[in-house]
Amino acid sequence: DIQMTQSPSTLSASVGDRVTITCRASQSISSWLAWYQQKPGKAPQLLIYKASSLQSGVPSRFSGGGSGTEFSLTVSSLQPEDFATYYCQQYSSLWTFGQGTKVEIK
Amino acid sequence: EVQLVESGGGWVQAGGSLRVSCAASGFTFSSYEMNWVRQAPGKGLEWVSYIDGSGSTMYYADSVKGRFTISRDNAKNSVFLQMNSLRVEDTAVYYCARPRGTGSSGFFDSWGPGTEVTVSS
Repeated sequence: DIQMTQSPSTLSASVGDRVTITCRASQSISSWLAWYQQKPGKAPQLLIYKASSLQSGVPSRFSGGGSGTEFSLTVSSLQPEDFATYYCQQYSSLWTFGQGTKVEIK
Repeated sequence: EVQLVESGGGWVQAGGSLRVSCAASGFTFSSYEMNWVRQAPGKGLEWVSYIDGSGSTMYYADSVKGRFTISRDNAKNSVFLQMNSLRVEDTAVYYCARPRGTGSSGFFDSWGPGTEVTVSS
């Protein structure tokens, strides 16, 4: 089974900050990685797929990068609506999620 | 517009059974694989089960293998998760999710709002 490890688990930031979340796979997954945003009481929403492709309707301040085993999600200028929990997911072999990164207000 | 709506959640005692459903609309249901994902209270996301468009291929997470069964009814645009021998640790919100993409297992571009399952000891 492929394991996904996200860091940090919690990130404190202010509006306007540039923030980066990292995700590491236990083996190479090529670019088969997605990022989701989840707000309390809501279903996750797809942000990025194939490591760096922006889902339709997602603001361009979100970007993804990486390949193989190391990936990142960057928010270029954090907005109030971006405070949420973010999950990476590998879909190279079945599906595995990272443990999540909560982005909270500093 | 793609819509997925789960139902059937509720409270059940450990060792009991429950069947949750997901009704789909807005797309050609039989052409799409479907998945169940769950989230325990305060915890992260866990993939649970997969079924292909015809209902002939299914996969399960090790944590539910032998206890849960996924099925679908393409005439009713619905996917189901039969959960038997429920444990306290199965307590979670259960989401159905539609995968998209070629050349891989697929990422989940559509999710339902979820249905809550509580297993009591």
